[in-house]
Formats: sequence, structure tokens, C-alpha cells
Amino acid sequence: NAGVTQTPKFQVLKTGQSMTLQCAQDMNHEYMSWYRQDPGMGLRLIHYSVGAGITDQGEVPNGYNVSRSTTEDFPLRLLSAAPSQTSVYFCASSSEELDLNTEAFFGQGTRLTVV
Amino acid sequence: AQSVTQLDSHVSVSEGTPVLLRCNYSSSYSPSLFWYVQHPNKGLQLLLKYTSAATLVKGINGFEAEFKKSETSFHLTKPSAHMSDAAEYFCVVSELNTGRRALTFGSGTRLQVQP
Repeated sequence: NAGVTQTPKFQVLKTGQSMTLQCAQDMNHEYMSWYRQDPGMGLRLIHYSVGAGITDQGEVPNGYNVSRSTTEDFPLRLLSAAPSQTSVYFCASSSEELDLNTEAFFGQGTRLTVV
Repeated sequence: AQSVTQLDSHVSVSEGTPVLLRCNYSSSYSPSLFWYVQHPNKGLQLLLKYTSAATLVKGINGFEAEFKKSETSFHLTKPSAHMSDAAEYFCVVSELNTGRRALTFGSGTRLQVQP
């Protein structure tokens, strides 16, 4: 009963620190993505990947890096945290990207505070 | 380009009364449409999805939504609210955009259910 697993659930960082948010899925999905959720703004796409070795930018990519070395894992890196990156982060995965009817499965989120 | 407008940021109903959460979308292509629910401190869970097979879509927990192309709407309804329905609801549109699949989220509607 795994699905999409995100770690950690909560994190507090100081400005300028770096960290990696982990995301793993066990459904053999090709398509994975990271979103941030801010009050009154819904979810906004940060980066996404259509398969191992392939990543691309979403709507709000600045300040974040990603890599996809395996199908299962899609970590999100903050190189130098800023207070504007305080948010709740969600990882999602789905099967074939080109199937518009495919459901996206979401992790439980990581609540990040940058002080 | 696609967009989603959730017309109410907050909706409050009494237990046992009907629920209506409104969503309008804009899409250049034939979209897929979804409703997701997020309970406090939880991830997002799919309620239902429109796949072009039928305009009235039934989801989990007694929710349903009707796709109206002429009105570009996809409103979510439930005949009788339950206390456990209190959560935030997101309307989501998905379409192919310049060769990649993109999910666009509405800003969310917080549903309160009064005893």
C-alpha cells in the first residue's frame, strides 16, 4: 500500500542552507512531477520528468534542481533556501504522459519552512 | 493555454444539505478534468475524472460532477453533506500543451460542514 512516498514530512531550514526533498514511487510510473502549494494559489508545477534521465522545467522552476537517475526516484534539491520557498511541496506520479485520462497519484506532502 | 477558475474560495453548508462547488475552465483543446480532495495535513486524493465517455461523472463518497462544454463548467455536487466532507477541493484540467502533458490546478475551495 505504498504509492508515492515523500520524506521528510516537515523541515525547517535557515536561509542559505541546502536540502533535498525525496520522492519515491513503486508503481513503475514514467511521469513524475513536483508541485508547490501556497495559500490561495492551488498547486504550481516546479519540475517534471517523463522518464529516467529526462527532466524539464515547469511553471516555477527557479531555485530548484531535479534529477531522475531511476524510474522510482525523483528528488528535488534546494541549493540555497530562501524564505520565499516556504511552502508545502507535493510529488506526483502517473503512467503514460500522453494518456490524458491518467490519474496522478500524490504523496502526502513536505511542509518546508525557511527562516 | 489552459486555466481553471474555482468561483468560491470558501463554501459553508449544514450537514445533510446539498453541496455545490463551482469550477470553470478554459482550454484550447479537448481537456480532461478532475476533482481532487485534500483533507487537513493530507495529500491529494482523486474524487472523480471526466474522460469524455459521459458528461455526468460519479466519484467516490457520493460526489458527482457534470461536464458542460457550452458553459465550460465542471461543477462538483453532493446531495447531502457529511461532516467528513470538510476539506479543500481542487478542480484540475489536463491537456497536451506543446507536446507535454500539463496539469493546471484551480486555487481551491475550502468546504466547511456545520453540524
